[in-house]
Amino acid sequence: DVKVTQSSRYLVKRTGEKVFLECVQDMDHENMFWYRQDPGLGLRLIYFSYDVKMKEKGDIPEGYSVSREKKERFSLILESASTNQTSMYLCASSLAPEQFFGPGTRLTVL
Amino acid sequence: QKEVEQNSGPLSVPEGAIASLNCTYSDRGSQSFFWYRQYSGKSPELIMFIYSNGDKEDGRFTAQLNKASQYVSLLIRDSQPSDSATYLCAVIQGAQKLVFGQGTRLTINP
Repeated sequence: DVKVTQSSRYLVKRTGEKVFLECVQDMDHENMFWYRQDPGLGLRLIYFSYDVKMKEKGDIPEGYSVSREKKERFSLILESASTNQTSMYLCASSLAPEQFFGPGTRLTVL
Repeated sequence: QKEVEQNSGPLSVPEGAIASLNCTYSDRGSQSFFWYRQYSGKSPELIMFIYSNGDKEDGRFTAQLNKASQYVSLLIRDSQPSDSATYLCAVIQGAQKLVFGQGTRLTINP
C-alpha cells in the first residue's frame, strides 16, 4: 500500500512565523502535490513537483514556497504565516494519474 | 463557470437505496475522471477512475461518463450508513494536475 505521511496532524503558529510542513512518501513516486482545503472552496492546488528539484505553481501559490531535495520528501513553506493561511493542508503522491493523499495537517495561524 | 461543478448537497438517501452523485466539467478535452471519498476529518481516498464513455462497475459503485454532455456520475447501490461521506469529483488537467469539484455531502439514513 502507498503510504504518504505528513509531519504534524495539528499545528498552531503565530502571524509572521516561518512554517514548514513536511510530506514523505514511500512508493518512489515522481509526482507530489500540496493542496489546501477550505469549507466551500474545496481542494485547491498550491504547488506540485514532477521530480527532484522541480516545482510548478498551482492555482494559489502566493505566500507559499516548496522544496524537493529528495524524491520521497516534499516540503511546503509559509515564509511569513498569516491568518488567512489557516486551513487544512493535504499532501499527495502520484502514480500517474491516481493521487494518494496523506492524513493532512490542520494549521491554525493566530 | 467553474472547471468542475458538483451539487454540494447535502444529499440524503435511505439505507439500501441507490445514491446518485453528479459532476459536470467545462474542459471538453478532459480525458480522465476520478471519484474520491472523504470521511469527516480524514483525507480523500480514491474510489474509482474512468477514462472511456459508458459505465465502469466496481462492486457497489458504478461510474458513468458522458463526454458529449460533459458529465460524470457515481452510483452507489445498496447504500450503507458507512457510505456517508463527502464525494469529490476530479478531472485531469494537463499531464498530472487534478482539478477538484467542491464535493457532495452524502448522508445514508438507516
